[in-house]
Amino acid sequence: QVHLEESGPGLVKPSETLSLTCTVSGGSINSYYWSWIRQPPGKGLEWIGYIYYTGSTDYNPSLKSRVTMSVDTSKNQFSLNLKFVTAADTAIYYCARELMTRVPQFDYWGQGALVTVSS
Amino acid sequence: QSVLTQPPSVSGAPGERVTISCAGTSSNIGAGYEVHWYRLLPRTAPKVLIYGNTNRPSGVPDRFSGSKSGTSASLAITGLQAEDEAHYYCQSYDSSLSASVVFGGGTKLTVL
Repeated sequence: QVHLEESGPGLVKPSETLSLTCTVSGGSINSYYWSWIRQPPGKGLEWIGYIYYTGSTDYNPSLKSRVTMSVDTSKNQFSLNLKFVTAADTAIYYCARELMTRVPQFDYWGQGALVTVSS
Repeated sequence: QSVLTQPPSVSGAPGERVTISCAGTSSNIGAGYEVHWYRLLPRTAPKVLIYGNTNRPSGVPDRFSGSKSGTSASLAITGLQAEDEAHYYCQSYDSSLSASVVFGGGTKLTVL
C-alpha cells in the first residue's frame, strides 16, 4: 500500500518561501506523476501542479510564477517551494499520486499539512 | 469560485439515500470529460470513492455510486451511516482553462 506523508514548517512569514516535502513509502516514486493540491480554510481544493519522476513539471498558471517542484528519486521524495507567500497561501497542503488517465485522478494522498502564513 | 459547482451541504438520516450534485459546463463535464469523487475527513488522507464517472475502487462499498448526465454528475450514497459524515469533492478536466484539473467547491454531508 502506497503511503504519502507531508513534512515541513507549519508557520511561514509573509514574503518568505513555503517549503514542503512529501515522502513516498510502500512503492517507488519512479514511473509516476506526483502532485501538490491545497485547500485554503473554508474553501475548495486547488491543484498546484505535478512533477514526473524524471523531473518534468506542470504548474497551475495562477501559481506558476511562484512555484518550483523538485524530486529526489534516491530518497523517494518530492518537494514543493512556493515563494513570496501571503496570507492567501494559508492552507492545508496535500501531496498525491496523479494518474495520467484521460482525466487525471489522484489515487493516493497524504493526510495533509497545515501551513499558516503569518508574521 | 470553483469551476465545478456543488451544494455546500446536504444531510440525511441513517439508512437514507442522499445525492450530491456536481454541475459543470460545456468545457468540462459537458465536453465528455470524466468525473472523479473524493471524500475528505480532517487529518485523514483523502480517498477516491468513484473514478471515471461510475467506477468504484476496490474496497469502496457499493453503497456509493456515481452517475453523469449532460453537464452534471452526481454521487449517491445509500444506507447512510454515521461514518459517512465528511466532505465530498468532485473533480474533472476543463479544456478552456489553463489549469486543466478542476475541483468542485466541496459538499459537507451531515448524518442526522
